[in-house]
Amino acid sequence: AQKITQTQPGMFVQEKEAVTLDCTYDTSDPSYGLFWYKQPSSGEMIFLIYQGSYDQQNATEGRYSLNFQKARKSANLVISASQLGDSAMYFCAMRGVSGGGADGLTFGKGTHLIIQP
Amino acid sequence: ETGVTQSPTHLIKTRGQQVTLRCSSQSGHNTVSWYQQALGQGPQFIFQYYREEENGRGNFPPRFSGLQFPNYSSELNVNALELDDSALYLCASSLRPTQAREQYFGPGTRLTVT
Repeated sequence: AQKITQTQPGMFVQEKEAVTLDCTYDTSDPSYGLFWYKQPSSGEMIFLIYQGSYDQQNATEGRYSLNFQKARKSANLVISASQLGDSAMYFCAMRGVSGGGADGLTFGKGTHLIIQP
Repeated sequence: ETGVTQSPTHLIKTRGQQVTLRCSSQSGHNTVSWYQQALGQGPQFIFQYYREEENGRGNFPPRFSGLQFPNYSSELNVNALELDDSALYLCASSLRPTQAREQYFGPGTRLTVT
């Protein structure tokens, strides 16, 4: 079984500041992928960043980076220079690889991020 | 814009009724997954279809069923609706099951059961 824990139900951040969204996970699968999605009020899940469990370097995608600490089982999302448009729900998710792709994503409960001007 | 569409956008049904939700995957994507997202929660995996067959299922009862068609469209059917079925239903498509990184979500169908 897999589990994702996001301990920050909501966060308020000043525009242009960096923000870190916390995510810890638990799995017995030796190989897995970690994902972050953004969900605006429209409902669509927007893929932000991916980290494979055997990737040597932390993933980066533009203003997004993933602080992957395998021993601590954490995969925090860092958003640099936050913008008003970053206000949304953010979900951490994972998926084991051993299932041959038949397993769905396991999501956390999300963090509601609000960027203040 | 991901190219994944869902219909209808909103739907209101009565307890005990049946509902069909539709998803049109991105062209060429032969894998589709369905998720249920209750209010204030993260999405939960219902099932996945690959080449028109169910190849993975989450912890949902058999009254949740699906179909996938050769034209990259798919359906989620829910029988004997219960109040707890009220949720946002999301579909996601990818080229193949192992390509979760390139999984694209649709905007969702919001189902209300009264």
